[in-house]
Amino acid sequence: DVQMTQSPSSLSASVGDTVTITCRASQFISNFLAWYQQKPGGPPRLLIYAASTLQSGVPSRFSGGGSGTHFSLTISSLQPDDVATYYCHKYNSAPLAFGGGTKVEIK
Amino acid sequence: QVQLVQSGAEVKKPGSSVKVSCKASGGYFSGSSISWVRQAPGQGLEWVGGVIPISGKADYAQKFQGRVTITADKSTTTAFMEVGSLNSEDTAMYYCASTTGSYYNWFDYWGQGTLVIVSA
Repeated sequence: DVQMTQSPSSLSASVGDTVTITCRASQFISNFLAWYQQKPGGPPRLLIYAASTLQSGVPSRFSGGGSGTHFSLTISSLQPDDVATYYCHKYNSAPLAFGGGTKVEIK
Repeated sequence: QVQLVQSGAEVKKPGSSVKVSCKASGGYFSGSSISWVRQAPGQGLEWVGGVIPISGKADYAQKFQGRVTITADKSTTTAFMEVGSLNSEDTAMYYCASTTGSYYNWFDYWGQGTLVIVSA
């Protein structure tokens, strides 16, 4: 089965900073990758699908990149509302899998 | 706009089973897939398994094979997940999530979650 490895597991940055989260798949998954944001007490929210396509309604400061086995989620100009845990998700075939998550905090 | 409404919280004894439901509305149920994702307290997301309603075919993560059964009822546009032989490690929030397209895809929509507590 494909394993998804996210890094870092947590980060702290200042408002206005650019932060990047990476996700690595143990096997080739083309661009079948999504990113979600989860705030405490609620379900995840879709941010990015097909590795780089922004979901409708998601602020343009979020962007995704990569293909194959290496992927990234970038938040440019970090805002207080971005405090959350972020997960990557591979969906090319069953079994589906998530990365371990990255907790983003404000300094 | 698709809405997924899950059944309420459950408290179960070790060794028993639990069945959680996920009612879909506002979309084309047969043209979707429904997955179940669990999140233990303070932990990350874990895919349990999923079902393609139009075919009824279900898939499971290896660790849940044989202990979890996922089904879909097209007549009521409801998906179900039954977990047997419960133990304390099954204490978690369980989410259903749906895709657009009758295949596994990114999750457009999520239910509100069902908390399952396993305690003697």
